[in-house]
Amino acid sequence: AQKITQTQPGMFVQEKEAVTLDCTYDTSDQSYGLFWYKQPSSGEMIFLIYQGSYDEQNATEGRYSLNFQKARKSANLVISASQLGDSAMYFCAMREGENSSASKIIFGSGTRLSIRP
Amino acid sequence: DSGVTQTPKHLITATGQRVTLRCSPRSGDLSVYWYQQSLDQGLQFLIQYYNGEERAKGNILERFSAQQFPDLHSELNLSSLELGDSALYFCASSVGSSGGAEEQFFGPGTRLTVL
Repeated sequence: AQKITQTQPGMFVQEKEAVTLDCTYDTSDQSYGLFWYKQPSSGEMIFLIYQGSYDEQNATEGRYSLNFQKARKSANLVISASQLGDSAMYFCAMREGENSSASKIIFGSGTRLSIRP
Repeated sequence: DSGVTQTPKHLITATGQRVTLRCSPRSGDLSVYWYQQSLDQGLQFLIQYYNGEERAKGNILERFSAQQFPDLHSELNLSSLELGDSALYFCASSVGSSGGAEEQFFGPGTRLTVL
């Protein structure tokens, strides 16, 4: 069965430092997509980054990068030069299948990131 | 602003009642997803519609049902409500085309409180 595991319930990081949020997944599908979302205290869900299972290069979006290690089934989110506004809950998610017209998506339990000034 | 709208923002009701949550996807998006976020269960995928048809089902209770209308807006119906149904219900939409990155845009959510 597909599963997403985020082992860090909470993290504290000093402002301007880089931070890595861990995510491991389990699936028997060959084709899948991995996502990271940010949920600030206001409650909205904000898309950060996407990695497809067949993408050979790690995804990057500004200060966000996804460290994709397919053999280890891990998809860690790296935030460079953290800012106070990065304090939020972060969710890793997986969609099985590349055909997004029929997609079941599962989320991890989340990591609460707190940035210290 | 993601372009996805959800109404109402807050809903307070009693056990045993029935409620309807409404979602309008971003213009041009064909897929609509419903999620439930509660403290004990985390973020759970409920169901997905694509261009009016149900395409994927997650942990949706039999007391819950959804549909997507020809104008692509969607409604989530929750009946025989229980205290444990209190949660934040998100709707998300995506273009829905096959292949490639498929970012989902989330609405602001409807907070349901069952008393």
